[in-house]
Amino acid sequence: EVQLVESGGGLVQPGGSLRLSCAASGFTLSDYYMDWVRQAPGKGLEWIGRSRDKANTYKTEYAASVEDRFTVSRDESKNSLYLQMNSLKTEDTAVYYCTRGGNGNFWEYWGQGALVTVSS
Amino acid sequence: DIQMTQSPSSLSASVGDRVTITCRASQGISNYLVWYQQKPGKAPKSLIYAASSLQSGVPSKFSGSGSGTDFTLTINSLQPEDFATYYCQQYYNYPLTFGGGTKLEIK
Repeated sequence: EVQLVESGGGLVQPGGSLRLSCAASGFTLSDYYMDWVRQAPGKGLEWIGRSRDKANTYKTEYAASVEDRFTVSRDESKNSLYLQMNSLKTEDTAVYYCTRGGNGNFWEYWGQGALVTVSS
Repeated sequence: DIQMTQSPSSLSASVGDRVTITCRASQGISNYLVWYQQKPGKAPKSLIYAASSLQSGVPSKFSGSGSGTDFTLTINSLQPEDFATYYCQQYYNYPLTFGGGTKLEIK
């Protein structure tokens, strides 16, 4: 059974950093493109970043709103995806989801979400 | 960036009704479109991909159509569990972008 489980959310001050983890089970993460999507409280969905599969050297793409501040990475040995978030702003407050999509996969699997609150 | 515009933003309907939600792209995206259903506090659920292909396990009461810039999601015979927020998303190019959502409420 495919599962994605996020962890690492919490409260952080503006300007701070946080790393979210997405632990995958039921499939080999390196074979798939993976996305991060967020949703601010009461708002719609926003795609923020992608890591391509190993065959495509895990090349990344980012939304302009997070480029140069957020980094998507992986650890093959842990079958896990990460989102390193630096220079956090209050507008980064959201639930963050990891999801498997792209390259012939269509976002069928999502994590449960991790809440990140940026506030002083 | 490709802008995705959904209409209506909210919709009231009764159990048993048929409803249609529209999504318009600011430029042509071929059929690179996904429809999602999201319930409060839950992750989105993919319903339709490639504009008209039903995701595995999704009931056939959901259907999608369109190509280019104009797309529709139709839900037949509404049941209480169908009342949720629906989003479209293009994956034609980066950044991937979502519509603003359509909240489907019980009349």
